[in-house]
Amino acid sequence: AQSVTQLDSQVPVFEEAPVELRCNYSSSVSVYLFWYVQYPNQGLQLLLKYLSGSTLVESINGFEAEFNKSQTSFHLRKPSVHISDTAEYFCAVSEMGGTYKYIFGTGTRLKVLA
Amino acid sequence: DTGVSQNPRHKITKRGQNVTFRCDPISEHNRLYWYRQTLGQGPEFLTYFQNEAQLEKSRLLSDRFSAERPKGSFSTLEIQRTEQGDSAMYLCASSWGTGGGSPLHFGNGTRLTVT
Repeated sequence: AQSVTQLDSQVPVFEEAPVELRCNYSSSVSVYLFWYVQYPNQGLQLLLKYLSGSTLVESINGFEAEFNKSQTSFHLRKPSVHISDTAEYFCAVSEMGGTYKYIFGTGTRLKVLA
Repeated sequence: DTGVSQNPRHKITKRGQNVTFRCDPISEHNRLYWYRQTLGQGPEFLTYFQNEAQLEKSRLLSDRFSAERPKGSFSTLEIQRTEQGDSAMYLCASSWGTGGGSPLHFGNGTRLTVT
């Protein structure tokens, strides 16, 4: 069965600094990978996804994530964060060719400091 | 696209009572999911439907929980004989797909408090 590990429960970072949120997954088959963001008092929204092809995927607001099959990772990065990026970020995995179930990590709370 | 709608937004109930939540997915979406989220945790998978068929149910799900999706449209999640441990945010999500990899669209959730 697939699983997702987000080792960092909280990440404080100063505005305009770079950030990396880590995600590792476990699965016996190939997977689809996702990052979701949850802003305070809002529902989860898709940030970006990896389905196939290029291992580097980007979002419209400057985040990117790179799929690394050998390390079973899908870390999320942003070169320069804004106060508005303060939110909780969840990594999720779904197995190819299996059921269409999505498993989420425990989340990383990103707090951007002025 | 009016988004995924969940009702009620909040529910406070006494231990031992039954509660029912409703989810209206995005209209053309064939898959519907229920998750539970507690403070400081990620969404925990409960069950999902493809059209009206319930294809998978979490082994962690007590038999006090039941979900339906009649006619493949809206869905209801019922919890019987509620316990304090059932207090959580219950999330519904939907997607369209014939294969895998379709992103989930989430509602804003129903917050259940069991006193």
